[in-house]
Amino acid sequence: NAGVTQTPKFRILKIGQSMTLQCAQDMNHNYMYWYRQDPGMGLKLIYYSVGAGITDKGEVPNGYNVSRSTTEDFPLRLELAAPSQTSVYFCASSFLLAGGPVGNTDTQYFGPGTRLTVL
Amino acid sequence: AQSVAQPEDQVNVAEGNPLTVKCTYSVSGNPYLFWYVQYPNRGLQFLLKYITGDNLVKGSYGFEAEFNKSQTSFHLKKPSALVSDSALYFCAVRDRDNYGQNFVFGPGTRLSVLP
Repeated sequence: NAGVTQTPKFRILKIGQSMTLQCAQDMNHNYMYWYRQDPGMGLKLIYYSVGAGITDKGEVPNGYNVSRSTTEDFPLRLELAAPSQTSVYFCASSFLLAGGPVGNTDTQYFGPGTRLTVL
Repeated sequence: AQSVAQPEDQVNVAEGNPLTVKCTYSVSGNPYLFWYVQYPNRGLQFLLKYITGDNLVKGSYGFEAEFNKSQTSFHLKKPSALVSDSALYFCAVRDRDNYGQNFVFGPGTRLSVLP
């Protein structure tokens, strides 16, 4: 059981380049999330998904896109990289029951992160 | 709107002494509260959570947190700090009564335990 995995661990992009950050989980979680972490700012939610085929914007979605074609995978796409997107990106997943958070559900499990620098 | 405050950027404590990392929150409904820890160059790891019931919640690595509804606080505590507890700690909240709301994280508190 690998949990939440992310690739790559590090990446340097030039302004205007594009890339996809990969995220996968093997816990059969229905919810998946993408966050960015800037120094002293905590985590900001970029996009989230409540299940395959369903995605929604979080607090800071501009400049990013996501897709969720399977339960396991939730890639994050940067189309035209900008210096403001320099950050550490974390993917997370959780399992929520239809009736709401109960017991051990709704705990988020995080991947190790991707450190992205845009120059 | 939901919000979380961690009023201290940095907390320093001597090894063996008790530690407290503070968290206050704001939600329109009832809160669902979490503490996470982040070690250098790692993702966040779950420590403990409050859903309902007993206000004192016990979690991993000897940590505990006390939910105080009147003060809207959820402070993280440990009776005897270890050097290995040095890390970045995040408090998070979700509004349990607005199921569509997602988690909001605080800015983090860096804990340094001195030998």
